Amino acid sequence: EAGVVQSPRYKIIEKKQPVAFWCNPISGHNTLYWYLQNLGQGPELLIRYENEEAVDDSQLPKDRFSAERLKGVDSTLKIQPAELGDSAVYLCASSLSGQETQYFGPGTRLLVL
Amino acid sequence: AQSVTQLDSQVPVFEEAPVELRCNYSSSVSVYLFWYVQYPNQGLQLLLKYLSGSTLVKGINGFEAEFNKSQTSFHFRKPSVHISDTAEYFCAVGTYGAQKLVFGQGTRLTINP
Repeated sequence: EAGVVQSPRYKIIEKKQPVAFWCNPISGHNTLYWYLQNLGQGPELLIRYENEEAVDDSQLPKDRFSAERLKGVDSTLKIQPAELGDSAVYLCASSLSGQETQYFGPGTRLLVL
Repeated sequence: AQSVTQLDSQVPVFEEAPVELRCNYSSSVSVYLFWYVQYPNQGLQLLLKYLSGSTLVKGINGFEAEFNKSQTSFHFRKPSVHISDTAEYFCAVGTYGAQKLVFGQGTRLTINP
């Protein structure tokens, strides 16, 4: 069974540019999460989806960050415009609905210059 | 709100020595707990989980962790470490129904030959 897939793995952009990350969860997992992991820190939840509905986006900085999961499977996280402080690893995770165990993808490492 | 404290940011040990990574949590309601491992430039891999039942949970490769409700701890242990165990280890706590994990800041385990 394939795990959580994320792309790209690495991204380097200049500040003020837009950037997007893509995530494909484990097949059958209706719950999808986006986490932010700053250097030397643990992951912090940005947004959680149940199917196509964002059920917890309280930690998503909505002035520059947006996310979508239009068909309840793949998801895209976007930053526009990117700032230097957005340099971090963006992790996607998925789980079965109502189940506690989350499975993580390899992450996208973003560097903003 | 829940919180997690990993008491050691770095733990250096010699190969084949035992190791304990300490994790304390704070919560006013019942929790479940995880230990994840992160190798360089990779995502998080689930090592151990406590959902309910036996307070001693065991994983592959000799890893184990013990849930102690009175001390609000979930310490991770391995009786004999190998070079390949060098990685960052994260403790995470969640509450039933919320499907939100709160992570500690991580403990970097370094194995010296």
